[in-house]
Amino acid sequence: QVQLTESGPGLVHPSETLSLTCTVSGFSLTGYSVYWVRQPSGKGLEWMGRMRYNGDTSYNSALKSRLSISRDTSKNQVFLKMNSLQTDDTGTYYCTREGITTDVMDAWGQGASVTVSS
Amino acid sequence: DIQMTQSPASLSASLGETVTIECLASEDIYSNLAWYQQKPGKSPQLLIYYANSLNDGVPSRFSGSGSGTQYSLKINSLQSEDVSIYFCQQNYDSPPTFGSGTKLEIK
Repeated sequence: QVQLTESGPGLVHPSETLSLTCTVSGFSLTGYSVYWVRQPSGKGLEWMGRMRYNGDTSYNSALKSRLSISRDTSKNQVFLKMNSLQTDDTGTYYCTREGITTDVMDAWGQGASVTVSS
Repeated sequence: DIQMTQSPASLSASLGETVTIECLASEDIYSNLAWYQQKPGKSPQLLIYYANSLNDGVPSRFSGSGSGTQYSLKINSLQSEDVSIYFCQQNYDSPPTFGSGTKLEIK
């Protein structure tokens, strides 16, 4: 079945870089787009960026200068790197799949909790 | 960016009741509107897409409606397992943007 699993460090120090991996199964990265979405603790959802099925990327303009999304299709993995982390980057980071017929996020990972603290 | 204004922020209702959550877009999003349910401690899950299409496996007591800038999610016959935060999201224009969420509790 369709599965997305985020992994990465739970703690990042201020000004350092966050690196997260989304490992997918049950579908191909060359057939589906994958998004990154984050949720500060107890707050709403923010779309961060997208790795399209064809390898193109797009980013939220508010994060674009700090964010990079890449992939390794042979490993079924999508990567997120965000630099210059601050305390307000603390929260849960999700990777999600864009459905072909729905055009929205029809599958979500369990989320990776990230705390930015010294 | 398109702003999504969701109301109410919180809602308390009794089992078996019908509840409605509203979402207002800052411009016409031509029914490109999804609703997600986030149960406590879990990731969001897709309920409805294209404003009124029910995702596979979602109970029929959930329904969506609306057009233009105004959309709503209705839950009939409220069940205890419906305790969640509900988010709307537009995918008409990039970046996709979300409402601030509605926390639904049982009285």
